[in-house]
This record gives sequence, structure tokens and C-alpha cells, in this order.
Amino acid sequence: NAGVMQNPRHLVRRRGQEARLRCSPVKGHSHVYWYRQLPEEGLKFMVYLQKENIIDESGMPKERFSAEFPKEGPSILRIQQVVRGDSAAYFCASSPQGPPNTEAFFGQGTRLTVV
Amino acid sequence: AQSVTQLDSQVPVFEEAPVELRCNYSSSVSVYLFWYVQYPNQGLQLLLKYLSGSTLVKGINGFEAEFNKSQTSFHLRKPSVHISDTAEYFCAVSSMDSNYQLIWGAGTKLIIKP
Repeated sequence: NAGVMQNPRHLVRRRGQEARLRCSPVKGHSHVYWYRQLPEEGLKFMVYLQKENIIDESGMPKERFSAEFPKEGPSILRIQQVVRGDSAAYFCASSPQGPPNTEAFFGQGTRLTVV
Repeated sequence: AQSVTQLDSQVPVFEEAPVELRCNYSSSVSVYLFWYVQYPNQGLQLLLKYLSGSTLVKGINGFEAEFNKSQTSFHLRKPSVHISDTAEYFCAVSSMDSNYQLIWGAGTKLIIKP
């Protein structure tokens, strides 16, 4: 009865490299949300996906960031050419239904450090 | 734009004392309100939520919150805290204004003093 699984838990990348963050939702959940948490701040919504579709990406930076949720496999948040400012904790949440989302389950997060 | 304000970045309190963590939001439409707890290096866990109905909502671990529409507040309370309540607490709101995505406060660190 696994919850939301994120890996890796910690990721270190040099400036200019690519970061790939994975999120396996709760079994049976087809709605996935990605959030970014900067130090001393709350979470900021990035993107909402439903199997194979991006529904709302209003919080995603226009460049270097992309997300997918394929029919099979985990959701992936990809950050290309990382910069120091990308260092943050990235959380994934899943839910059995779409908005209004009243039951989101969160993973433990991936802490990205760009050196 | 919709926003959530948690005025206190830290709240120190003695063990077994009562605590209130404040949350105010800005929205002119119907809202859903949430409190989440984040233990060190962990993900977020839902404490309680207000969707509709009774304005007093009871959650896990003895926490409760009261929705006050006129003051646009959703303060979290516990009558007697325990050392295990040491964590960061986040208030979040969703509504049509945000396409029902969660808008988060900056968090309040609850520090329990023995």
C-alpha cells in the first residue's frame, strides 16, 4: 500500500547539467501535481498532469522545465541546464480526482542541489 | 491574485500549553481550506480540511481549525501540544480563482519547549 514515491531523495547536479525527478503516484491515482519549495518559503504550484496530458502548467518556468506523465511509468519533471537558482525541494502529489482537489497525497520530495 | 498569509514564521510554546497558528487568505469566492504538517525532511501530511458545512473542523493529532468567512481566516489550534508536534505547518487554499490549484502560505515552524 505504497504512497507517493519520489526518487531520488537527494540530487546534486553541476550547473549546466540536466536533472530528472521521478514521481510514482498512489496506485490508481491518475492526477499528478508538482510543486517547488524554496528555503523558508511555502510550496509553489508548478504543473498539473493527468495521464499523458498536461492540464495546467501555469506555474512552470517557460524555459528549461518540462514535465510528463506517460501512460506507463512515473511522472517525470525535467530541468535542463540547471542553474543555482533551481536548488530547491520538489514535491509531487497525486489525487484520485482532478480539481477541485480535496485529497492530495504528497511524496517525501526530491532535494535538488546545484553546485 | 489569490494569496495566503501565515503571519508567524515561528511559534515557540511550552509543552502541554495551547497553541494557535494563524492563517488568512484573500479570495472573494468560495474556497477550500487546508492545513498540512511537514516533519523534518519529510513530505506533507494533511492535518484537516474545510470544504463546506460546519465551520469548526477537527483533524488528526488533536488539531482543529475554524473557518471564519468574515475575517477570511482559518486558524489552527491545539489545546495541549506535545514535543512530537514540532514541525512546520502550512495553510493552503484553493478556489476557482486559482483554477483549484493549491495556493500555499509560507509556513509556521512550531517549536515546542520542554
